[in-house]
Amino acid sequence: DTEVTQTPKHLVMGMTNKKSLKCEQHMGHRAMYWYKQKAKKPPELMFVYSYEKLSINESVPSRFSPECPNSSLLNLHLHALQPEDSALYLCASSQPGHRVSKNIQYFGAGTRLSVL
Amino acid sequence: KNQVEQSPQSLIILEGKNCTLQCNYTVSPFSNLRWYKQDTGRGPVSLTIMTFSENTKSNGRYTATLDADTKQSSLHITASQLSDSASYICVVIGGTASKLTFGTGTRLQVTL
Repeated sequence: DTEVTQTPKHLVMGMTNKKSLKCEQHMGHRAMYWYKQKAKKPPELMFVYSYEKLSINESVPSRFSPECPNSSLLNLHLHALQPEDSALYLCASSQPGHRVSKNIQYFGAGTRLSVL
Repeated sequence: KNQVEQSPQSLIILEGKNCTLQCNYTVSPFSNLRWYKQDTGRGPVSLTIMTFSENTKSNGRYTATLDADTKQSSLHITASQLSDSASYICVVIGGTASKLTFGTGTRLQVTL
């Protein structure tokens, strides 16, 4: 199983709403990532979790709050978002470490988020 | 600053034709380079991964090359199919292995 599953596939929310994006993998990967991708642009790294601990936060606004409850799950809690936050949010997982053979990132299909 | 630039930005070719996509990078120190295929509205899927010592790697109709001296890579697609229509993203890993530098992508459209 090389799948990274993201839910929901689509999400529409108002600027006062609170919602969560979910990501799940069962490949035994201990590194998980959140990316934001705007149309026709490459993905931008937001957060990295390694062994369930936040290891990288790319200066993401606090209205995005990541959570890694266990080694298989990664959540992204959303609160008071702005219309410019509308994008495709991608989750990925990999084995942490520097060995090339263990470091391939597997991406989920993404959640397309629209903030009204 | 670590950068990955791709060309062309977009490309339209006829089904059955070959094409080559280019990637230039300034990421240092270099660890490895990957080509990803991303269908519209989907997550990227890894096509090839190349380390410093590898010059060529194939995956079916996809062949990637790497020249670590000139910091250039190419992705050659042979006998294109309609399903090859997608964005192709060059990703370079350097420094901290858990962080990737993404290229701007090439949007390929294969037509009849």
